[in-house]
Amino acid sequence: EVQLVESGGGLVQPGGSLRLSCAASGFTFSTYWMHWVRRAPGKGLVWVSRINSDGSSTTYADSVKGRFTISRDNAKNTLYLQMSSLRVEDTAVYYCARGGVKGVTGTVGRLDPWGQGTLVTVSS
Amino acid sequence: DIVMTQSPDSLAVSLGERATINCKSSQSVLYSSNNKNYLNWYQQKPGQPPKLLIYWASIRESGVPDRFSGSESGTDFTLTISSLQAEDVAVYYCHQHYSAPYTFGQGTKLDIK
Repeated sequence: EVQLVESGGGLVQPGGSLRLSCAASGFTFSTYWMHWVRRAPGKGLVWVSRINSDGSSTTYADSVKGRFTISRDNAKNTLYLQMSSLRVEDTAVYYCARGGVKGVTGTVGRLDPWGQGTLVTVSS
Repeated sequence: DIVMTQSPDSLAVSLGERATINCKSSQSVLYSSNNKNYLNWYQQKPGQPPKLLIYWASIRESGVPDRFSGSESGTDFTLTISSLQAEDVAVYYCHQHYSAPYTFGQGTKLDIK
């Protein structure tokens, strides 16, 4: 069974840092694009970042560029999101999601499945 | 950035009736080399992560009931539920992955009338 399990969320003060992890199982992690998406309380989904299968290419939403870093460890089947200079408006449930498989055109952003999410609260 | 605009923001439909959700992209999300629209539809129920329903605008994901269908006309996309069931109460999102940032629509909340 394909499974994604996020961890690392919690309460952090504005300006602080946090690292989220997403443990993957049930598929060949090293061959898939991976993404982070967030949903703030009472708001809709917002795409945050993506990383290609070998970690050599990353892209970010403007709202997090320069503050967040996506990375992966294919030996550990784990995706990461390092978040720094956190703001109140970064408060959200953060989901990791699997994208498409390397080499298959048109599937990079086909997000399936998603993890259950981890809550990040930025507050003083 | 490509802006995705959904309508309506919310709707209520009677059980067994048709529900229609619209999504408009601010620019084309059609990839000319494969003639596919890079447009997904997701369903998110309370307390659950989003679930992929439709990809490439009209292809139903495996296991999704056939009452769900997607269609396209240029930069206008539609998700249709042909006969609403109680378990379809959720928020629905369209999502483009033609160009980064991969933007979502604002969501449409679907309830039972």
